[in-house]
Amino acid sequence: AQRVTQPEKLLSVFKGAPVELKCNYSYSGSPELFWYVQYSRQRLQLLLRHISRESIKGFTADLNKGETSFHLKKPFAQEEDSAMYYCALKVRNQGGKLIFGQGTELSVKP
Amino acid sequence: DADVTQTPRNRITKTGKRIMLECSQTKGHDRMYWYRQDPGLGLRLIYYSFDVKDINKGEISDGYSVSRQAQAKFSLSLESAIPNQTALYFCATSAAGGYGYTFGSGTRLTVV
Repeated sequence: AQRVTQPEKLLSVFKGAPVELKCNYSYSGSPELFWYVQYSRQRLQLLLRHISRESIKGFTADLNKGETSFHLKKPFAQEEDSAMYYCALKVRNQGGKLIFGQGTELSVKP
Repeated sequence: DADVTQTPRNRITKTGKRIMLECSQTKGHDRMYWYRQDPGLGLRLIYYSFDVKDINKGEISDGYSVSRQAQAKFSLSLESAIPNQTALYFCATSAAGGYGYTFGSGTRLTVV
């Protein structure tokens, strides 16, 4: 079964500290994974996807097929990074619909 | 700007009432989706549509129905609202062959 798991509901760090938001997935095919971010009272927006291997707002994420993980990392957290973060898996044989994890709230304290 | 618009933004309704949430888009995307967001549960797919004649149930479709009136419009109905349908509802669109979703701003529904 396809599944995305984000084990942490809340992650609280101080400004300047490193951040790692965990995401694990279960998928029988070759996965395509994404991170979405939702700032307070705003709509969800795409942060990054693993295929592009880009860095957005200082965040990176590497797909580890051996550990079935796609953790989101940033070396130095900023207060404006405080938001809800969702990991998502694209299910190709069902038209590309996305399955989301439970979300992790990141709180960056001054 | 091309966008995804949801109406209403907020709604309070009584148990047993029928309610419709509307979503319209100007992005020209074929695919549209309805999700509900609950704290600790993330986003769960209710229904999705790949075109006007193709509608599919998601993981939590019970108690909901949808209508794809046109490529640009996708409505979600609660035939008889119940309190555990209190949630934040999001509409999203994507292009066939595309990789990202564009989300609406959400409708906060409270069933009392």
